[in-house]
Amino acid sequence: GAVVSQHPSRVICKSGTSVKIECRSLDFQATTMFWYRQFPKQSLMLMATSNEGSKATYEQGVEKDKFLINHASLTLSTLTVTSAHPEDSSFYICSAGGDNNQPQHFGDGTRLSIL
Amino acid sequence: AQSVAQPEDQVNVAEGNPLTVKCTYSVSGNPYLFWYVQYPNRGLQFLLKYITGDNLVKGSYGFEAEFNKSQTSFHLKKPSALVSDSALYFCAVRDMGGNAGNMLTFGGGTRLMVKP
Repeated sequence: GAVVSQHPSRVICKSGTSVKIECRSLDFQATTMFWYRQFPKQSLMLMATSNEGSKATYEQGVEKDKFLINHASLTLSTLTVTSAHPEDSSFYICSAGGDNNQPQHFGDGTRLSIL
Repeated sequence: AQSVAQPEDQVNVAEGNPLTVKCTYSVSGNPYLFWYVQYPNRGLQFLLKYITGDNLVKGSYGFEAEFNKSQTSFHLKKPSALVSDSALYFCAVRDMGGNAGNMLTFGGGTRLMVKP
C-alpha cells in the first residue's frame, strides 16, 4: 500500500538551530502534502498545505518565515523550522494523498525537542 | 466550514466487551468521513472510510462505523475490544462540496483504554 516516510523521527537540539524535516511519498506522486503539529494529548493542527511547484498555503496564525516549506518534487516536501526555540518543541506530522476518494497517508511523525 | 466533534476525551472498556467511540460532523455538502488510529509517538493509521453506499462500513482490525445522515454521526464500533486496541482515535471529515481539496478536518481525538 501507499507509504509516507518522514525523517528524522526525533530531533533534540539547542535553541537557535534550524531543523529540516523531510516527508516522502514512497510509491505514489503527491502534488499536495500537508503538515500538522500535535501538542501532547491534543488533536492535529493543520499548519500548511504544501503544493508541488508553487508556494505553500499557510493556515492562519502560522508564521511562514518561521516554518519554511519546500515541495520541489512530486515525492518530497520539506519543513524547516528556522531558529527554533523551546516553544517550537512539538510533534510534527506530514501526510500525502487523498486523491480520488482515497485516504490520506501519514508519516510516523517527528518529535522536535528544543533545549 | 467543516467541523468534527468527538465528545469523549476517553473511553474505558473491559477486554471482550463492545466498544463505541463517538463522532459527529458538520459540513456544507456531502461528507467524506474517516477514522484513524494513533499509537504513541507514531503517525496516524487509516482504519476505515465512508464515501457513499452502505451506511455500515467495515475496516481494519475488526472495526466498523455507521454513517447516520440524520444525526450527522459516524461512530466507530467494535464487537469485542482487545487490550491492543488501546490508542488514540481520530475522526476526520472532508467536505465533498467544499473547495478545500483533500484537506481533512480532525476531531479532538478520543483515547481508548481497554483493560484486561
